[in-house]
Amino acid sequence: GAGVSQSPSNKVTEKGKDVELRCDPISGHTALYWYRQSLGQGLEFLIYFQGNSAPDKSGLPSDRFSAERTGGSVSTLTIQRTQQEDSAVYLCASSPPSGGGYEQYFGPGTRLTVT
Amino acid sequence: AQSVTQLGSHVSVSEGALVLLRCNYSSSVPPYLFWYVQYPNQGLQLLLKYTTGATLVKGINGFEAEFKKSETSFHLTKPSAHMSDAAEYFCAVIPDTGRRALTFGSGTRLQVQP
Repeated sequence: GAGVSQSPSNKVTEKGKDVELRCDPISGHTALYWYRQSLGQGLEFLIYFQGNSAPDKSGLPSDRFSAERTGGSVSTLTIQRTQQEDSAVYLCASSPPSGGGYEQYFGPGTRLTVT
Repeated sequence: AQSVTQLGSHVSVSEGALVLLRCNYSSSVPPYLFWYVQYPNQGLQLLLKYTTGATLVKGINGFEAEFKKSETSFHLTKPSAHMSDAAEYFCAVIPDTGRRALTFGSGTRLQVQP
């Protein structure tokens, strides 16, 4: 079956611009996660959505970062007024409702470069 | 706070040799433990997981890992390395506190020499 998909695969933007990154989770998965992978910081959790519950935003690094999940499916991560330190690969993952939802399936990521 | 330590950022083995990638976690309660593999320019693929039950878990591609509570370790092994195993490997943990975000180790890059 189809895995987690993310778009775009690559994004180059100028410092100060806003960007939107999209994630399509595996159909039927109720949980969705965003992570960031950068050379300096490794893999970091950003935000977690579970069903209709309020999202866990505890990993967002600043108020320039926000995310939403529409209809319990597709998610968009928005970074406002991008900075060079935002350059990273942004990974999305989803989990099924069974088995406690502990297995996370990752998409290929969006590589963001801020110039 | 939960943390994960992977000993050795780079490991090199010969094709056919044993692969051993080390992972230790800090936790006062048994967490849920995972190994993921990342091939160049790809996302993370789940190799195996430990949640409850048998402490020796088998995963894909011939990998296995053993949860040792007394040593707070979850080392990854494979009896015989293949060239195709060259990748970066991440150990990760979810503490059983209801917060389901993965905390990752810093990763170990495995090189396989012919």
